[in-house]
Amino acid sequence: SAVISQKPSRDICQRGTSLTIQCQVDSQVTMMFWYRQQPGQSLTLIATANQGSEATYESGFVIDKFPISRPNLTFSTLTVSNMSPEDSSIYLCSVSAGGPGTGELFFGEGSRLTVL
Amino acid sequence: TQLLEQSPQFLSIQEGENLTVYCNSSSVFSSLQWYRQEPGEGPVLLVTVVTGGEVKKLKRLTFQFGDARKDSSLHITAAQPGDTGLYLCAGAAGKLIFGQGTELSVKP
Repeated sequence: SAVISQKPSRDICQRGTSLTIQCQVDSQVTMMFWYRQQPGQSLTLIATANQGSEATYESGFVIDKFPISRPNLTFSTLTVSNMSPEDSSIYLCSVSAGGPGTGELFFGEGSRLTVL
Repeated sequence: TQLLEQSPQFLSIQEGENLTVYCNSSSVFSSLQWYRQEPGEGPVLLVTVVTGGEVKKLKRLTFQFGDARKDSSLHITAAQPGDTGLYLCAGAAGKLIFGQGTELSVKP
């Protein structure tokens, strides 16, 4: 199993500001995933972060809004830029627990952002 | 667009009752996962089903994968307050697709 720590666990932010969420894993992993969980909605994949290359973004998400860093095999950051109230959500970092394509994921505890 | 429809969205029951949560899709999945999420925590994997018709049991929880690998169900027997949480199904088909979740509340 993998232990994933996210910081901050929650924050209240002002419109127009940016916030960086950190994700630390206790073991080396090839791919890290960033998800968004909006109130009453399911998990939506934002992007896949690979070490040494640019993140791969899903449809509807762009690098200017959600820049991601992956400096090594145990750490990643997601920045939510120029926030608006619509960005209020839980942001989750995850890593694969099983083999590729198995869908088995370990998740961090999430970062709950409220944008005023 | 692949979708996983979960039902019901909300469920409030008394301790000791049984319940079933459904996860349906028109797409075929190579595997399907069930997760449970408590407030302030990330989802935690409960089970993976892979074979059509497969049934897995985890204490009072029974998971079934449809014969065609398009749907799944989670049945909880004699629910307890500790079962309270958000239950999410997720299907693997190249990407991982999550259902909308079922918010379960079990009252003592």
